[in-house]
Amino acid sequence: GEEVAQTPKHLVRGEGQKAKLYCAPIKGHSYVFWYQQVLKNEFKFLISFQNENVFDETGMPKERFSAKCLPNSPCSLEIQATKLEDSAVYFCASSQQSHTGELFFGEGSRLTVL
Amino acid sequence: EDKVVQSPLSLVVHEGDTVTLNCSYEVTNFRSLLWYKQEKKAPTFLFMLTSSGIEKKSGRLSSILDKKELFSILNITATQTGDSAIYLCAWGNYGQNFVFGPGTRLSVLP
Repeated sequence: GEEVAQTPKHLVRGEGQKAKLYCAPIKGHSYVFWYQQVLKNEFKFLISFQNENVFDETGMPKERFSAKCLPNSPCSLEIQATKLEDSAVYFCASSQQSHTGELFFGEGSRLTVL
Repeated sequence: EDKVVQSPLSLVVHEGDTVTLNCSYEVTNFRSLLWYKQEKKAPTFLFMLTSSGIEKKSGRLSSILDKKELFSILNITATQTGDSAIYLCAWGNYGQNFVFGPGTRLSVLP
């Protein structure tokens, strides 16, 4: 597609429940990034992919967060056993050729954990 | 650890004013700098800078990079209320991700 598509736009989960977010990058873009933004504060890098391979996962909380980018499927970010502090907007971005080129952002998925 | 600092964190001006937003960094192996404008939802791209001293312009917005002094500025002339937003800078290095600054929240009053 011509834009990064993220679903769902909003997701509400009770503490301890699982949350799964999806991202379809722009067609032809090889790099996908996930960022977490809490209360319009800093963008915290979570993980990046080059095609289906993890490129950098230094920002991922080790225990409850996982992510995948499989061929012919949207990328996904999954949070097991959500906590209150996971409430945030999760942005996906894609990049065409190099991980240092322009990032194109999706509209974000707002996760609210109650 | 790579770090990006933006100043001021918050700024209130009146329409017609000119503003200068600052972004400095401590990033190893610098490769590129990106400026974004974030209003309600997704950040929208403004500029990508890779070389020192070359000003990039788009309408009333312009930006320049100083790789020696490790900073960049974003200028907005003749501000309008539609310029009210959070302005983010992000540094790309030869690693695998972009490091974002905390953003500058600009409010332009009529």
